[in-house]
Amino acid sequence: EAGVTQSPTHLIKTRGQQVTLRCSPISGHTSVYWYQQALGLGLQFLLWYDEGEERNRGNFPPRFSGRQFPNYSSELNVNALELEDSALYLCASENRGRNQPQHFGDGTRLSIL
Amino acid sequence: RKEVEQDPGPFNVPEGATVAFNCTYSNSASQSFFWYRQDCRKEPKLLMSVYSSGNEDGRFTAQLNRASQYISLLIRDSKLSDSATYLCVVNRRGSTLGRLYFGRGTQLTVWP
Repeated sequence: EAGVTQSPTHLIKTRGQQVTLRCSPISGHTSVYWYQQALGLGLQFLLWYDEGEERNRGNFPPRFSGRQFPNYSSELNVNALELEDSALYLCASENRGRNQPQHFGDGTRLSIL
Repeated sequence: RKEVEQDPGPFNVPEGATVAFNCTYSNSASQSFFWYRQDCRKEPKLLMSVYSSGNEDGRFTAQLNRASQYISLLIRDSKLSDSATYLCVVNRRGSTLGRLYFGRGTQLTVWP
C-alpha cells in the first residue's frame, strides 16, 4: 500500500511569490491534514480537510489556504511568501475511524530567499 | 497552558540504557494517544499507539494514566538507532475538532 505522497520534495522561492504544495493521501483515507514545521520547532497545525471540505484551520493568516479534491488529494497554497514561511510542510492522512493515527508524507521543504 | 507538554531533553544515554519520557495533556476530553518518532529533518513516523491498559512493543512500553492526564514511553536496551526526537501526540475529537495535538518533542541521543 502506497503511503502519503507529497510533491515537490524541495522548493526555493523568493519573497512575495506564491507556491502550491500537493499531497496524495493513503488510499481509503478521507482526511488530510497540513502542518508547518520551522527549523528546530514543533509541528504547527495549518489545515484539516475531510470529504472535500475545510473542517478546521490553525492560527495562520489567510494567505495560507488549500483545498481537497474529490479523489481526496489536497493542495496547500501560500501567497505573498515571507521569509518566515521557510519550513518543512507536512501532509498527513487519516482513516477517520475511531482512535486512528495519522500517517505523514515525507514533506516539502520550502526555502524563501 | 499548552495542550501537550513534554520535557524537551536532550536525553543522552549509553547503549543498553533504559530511558523514560513523560508527557502531560491538558484536556480531559482527549481520546486517543500516540508516540511518534521524528528523525532529523524527516517526517514524524508512528511509533506506537497508547492504550488505557498500557502496551508493549518489543523494547518499547507505553503507559497512560487518564486520572493524571499523563503518558509515558519507556525504552529498554537503547540502541544507537533509537536516537531521534520522540513526539507525544493526543487526539481530541469534537464537532469542529479532529486533529492531533503534538508535544514539542523529547530529543534522545544514544551514544556507543
